[in-house]
Amino acid sequence: GESVGLHLPTLSVQEGDNSIINCAYSNSASDYFIWYKQESGKGPQFIIDIRSNMDKRQGQRVTVLLNKTVKHLSLQIAATQPGDSAVYFCAETPGGSYIPTFGRGTSLIVHP
Amino acid sequence: DAGVTQSPTHLIKTRGQQVTLRCSPISGHKSVSWYQQVLGQGPQFIFQYYEKEERGRGNFPDRFSARQFPNYSSELNVNALLLGDSALYLCASSLTGQEQYFGPGTRLTVT
Repeated sequence: GESVGLHLPTLSVQEGDNSIINCAYSNSASDYFIWYKQESGKGPQFIIDIRSNMDKRQGQRVTVLLNKTVKHLSLQIAATQPGDSAVYFCAETPGGSYIPTFGRGTSLIVHP
Repeated sequence: DAGVTQSPTHLIKTRGQQVTLRCSPISGHKSVSWYQQVLGQGPQFIFQYYEKEERGRGNFPDRFSARQFPNYSSELNVNALLLGDSALYLCASSLTGQEQYFGPGTRLTVT
């Protein structure tokens, strides 16, 4: 069936490094994507979104890249900080729908 | 501005009991969605309401129900609780329904 998945369940980086978190999606009808950050004991926090008519979108220290050809989404975090340690989820929403599907998540661990 | 608020923060119930969870959306947001998140998994969609009308329902049994009030706040009700209903219940609000902002969640433990 259709699914959203993440390539790596855990990513460990050193403080100051750049981090890349990947996400594969299989629903070709998805046209809206969001990255969320979830810290332990808290609800998911909206980071950045992108629509299918774009390939790249930048925020503060974060960049989302969308490759529709291979159905791949990535989140790049520049100069990763210990406060970035969390679980990151990508979510996809099919066109005409308001219901996102979440992947399992990637745990990012930033070592000081 | 206040974000999405949920109450209670935690609660413990016994199998077979009923529970009501509450959510207040961000001011101006007319859409509220409910999700269930089991440890180690992503949130699973339960319901979405927009302008007090149900706009979507996930693959959950009829024991789960919800409603949205005129002030756009919402309640999620779960009847005949099972051990497997233990989870973090998340509420998210949105202007349109797509860009969703989550609350802190209610941790439900069923014993």
